Amino acid sequence: DAGITQSPRHKVTETGTPVTLRCHQTENHRYMYWYRQDPGHGLRLIHYSYGVKDTDKGEVSDGYSVSRSKTEDFLLTLESATSSQTSVYFCAISPGLAGGGSYEQYFGPGTRLTVT
Amino acid sequence: GENVEQHPSTLSVQEGDSAVIKCTYSDSASNYFPWYKQELGKRPQLIIDIRSNVGEKKDQRIAVTLNKTAKHFSLHITETQPEDSAVYFCAASNPYNQGGKLIFGQGTELSVKP
Repeated sequence: DAGITQSPRHKVTETGTPVTLRCHQTENHRYMYWYRQDPGHGLRLIHYSYGVKDTDKGEVSDGYSVSRSKTEDFLLTLESATSSQTSVYFCAISPGLAGGGSYEQYFGPGTRLTVT
Repeated sequence: GENVEQHPSTLSVQEGDSAVIKCTYSDSASNYFPWYKQELGKRPQLIIDIRSNVGEKKDQRIAVTLNKTAKHFSLHITETQPEDSAVYFCAASNPYNQGGKLIFGQGTELSVKP
């Protein structure tokens, strides 16, 4: 597996509390992504980053924010968690096309978040 | 918006048979089509991909075919084994989208019965 870790791996939190999930990579890849996975919906992109401090929204970004202050870390924040945000969250990384790279994406181990 | 449809949602085969999973995409500018395998409780793993400049790609027992005119692509697994049992996802990417964003299909749960 590519050098990607996510923390925490499991979290239970209450509605209305803030939650931050961390993705850390050791591959020095330019692109990082946050997905959520729910039964019947596959993998849906929340936000992605194309460089330090460069981020953009995905298809299900409402209620989420992200930050990337250094290449290796991409943080996903739920400002006020809701039960609809109970899900499995995956981070992914990609080198991008620059320098002969590709858009192949490699996934982290995932974080299971439960909002009660 | 961009969309990827995947069929079937579940597929059950006998060990040794072939399995075929099909996807269609809506964005005609898409040019990269990966397939991921996800075992229960694990992360999605890239197993094979194809780019729009080729029509078929093989890697041992798995192959992917692409029909750009029809906007279809398919995953073929031959001589299936119990360890092929997993959920398979197709995806498509448009290179003009910043960051090579992938649009995923809904997944196919493959069960290979011994």
